[in-house]
Amino acid sequence: QQQVRQSSQSLTVWEGETAILNCSYENSAFDYFPWYQQFPGEGPALLIAIRSVSDKKEDGRFTIFFNKREKNLSLHIKDSQPGDSATYFCAASVASSGQKLVFGQGTILKVYL
Amino acid sequence: AQTIHQWPVAEIKAVGSPLSLGCTIKGKSSPNLYWYWQATGGTLQQLFYSITVGQVESVVQLNLSASRPKDDQFILSTEKLLLSHSGFYLCAWAPGGANQDTQYFGPGTRLLVL
Repeated sequence: QQQVRQSSQSLTVWEGETAILNCSYENSAFDYFPWYQQFPGEGPALLIAIRSVSDKKEDGRFTIFFNKREKNLSLHIKDSQPGDSATYFCAASVASSGQKLVFGQGTILKVYL
Repeated sequence: AQTIHQWPVAEIKAVGSPLSLGCTIKGKSSPNLYWYWQATGGTLQQLFYSITVGQVESVVQLNLSASRPKDDQFILSTEKLLLSHSGFYLCAWAPGGANQDTQYFGPGTRLLVL
């Protein structure tokens, strides 16, 4: 059973567009949702995270929109750049459990000039 | 600032041979530590976690074992490698205590089993 699901395996946008990556989850107990960015051959890097008490979190060009009722969230990357081309993972955990972080399958984002 | 180091960077090993991968965290005392496995093009699967020295919990059984001999060190090992062990092994750490949610990953070790 896929507890965290990312709707697109890959996404292509042009430079300057807004990339939207979608994620949904099954477990209502999840209340912490980080997004990670991974370049080939490297470990994932934390990009931005949200807790379920919020419906929006913004950090520069990156924004998370969270819908607790629908159990989904999305990562918006504004003004996409070629350097944003990477794999993005949505993850979820029960806050302060500290132990188990469940990852989605990842979305490969390609930003073309 | 905290730094996380994994060794070796990459390994090519024969089926049936032993394996030991290491991870060291500097600049943070009593972190929570984690091992993950990632198949090529795949998602991250948590294997083990440790809250304190000498204590390791298994999340997924993959014929691997883990140990935490020191506060800043986490070791992943097996006595007999399988082809299915090939992949990318990632160590991660999280602050202990109340803010233990955010996990930070190391650079990883690429393993190829032939």
